[in-house]
Amino acid sequence: DAGVIQSPRHEVTEMGQEVTLRCKPISGHDYLFWYRQTMMRGLELLIYFNNNVPIDDSGMPEDRFSAKMPNASFSTLKIQPSEPRDSAVYFCASSQASGASYNEQFFGPGTRLTVL
Amino acid sequence: AQKITQTQPGMFVQEKEAVTLDCTYDTSDPSYGLFWYKQPSSGEMIFLIYQGSYDQQNATEGRYSLNFQKARKSANLVISASQLGDSAMYFCAMREGLSFGNEKLTFGTGTRLTIIP
Repeated sequence: DAGVIQSPRHEVTEMGQEVTLRCKPISGHDYLFWYRQTMMRGLELLIYFNNNVPIDDSGMPEDRFSAKMPNASFSTLKIQPSEPRDSAVYFCASSQASGASYNEQFFGPGTRLTVL
Repeated sequence: AQKITQTQPGMFVQEKEAVTLDCTYDTSDPSYGLFWYKQPSSGEMIFLIYQGSYDQQNATEGRYSLNFQKARKSANLVISASQLGDSAMYFCAMREGLSFGNEKLTFGTGTRLTIIP
């Protein structure tokens, strides 16, 4: 399997522009996660989906952020309008259902976003 | 209160020595899981090891082992015979409430480990 695929790997944009980050999870995985990593706040869970349905979006910072998963093989995280404080590395991860046991989350390579 | 606390922001260890990375956690849920991830300078997150709250024995995976002390709420990662390639950020994470549908992980702030040749 190719692993979790994210695009673009790097994105530089100007304040006020719309940014769309993309993710393709590992085939057969039930869960998809979006994380943000910054020096100040560490690694934060933004939102996660189960079978394309959002389960917990309590980590989404504000209305400027939105995430969709139109099918099992694709998800987007959109920021509109973007602000300099949104600069971070955004990770997508996927996993199979764990239940009472565990399944590791497999992370993508991340998208480094810089908002000028 | 922080759910996951990693008190060592950075550590320097001589190659071939063993190293212990500290992690304490805070939960009132009797059912939880603890994870360790490694993040090398290249940026990817790599899963290392898992310990469930009901597991009777400490988890081991090759050179990695987890020193799980439930009463103290600590889950320290032990790396034996450290190698230069172990230089990376290490994150402890917790999943509270092991049930279907609850897959949320909370991460600590990480420890940067540097192996000295």
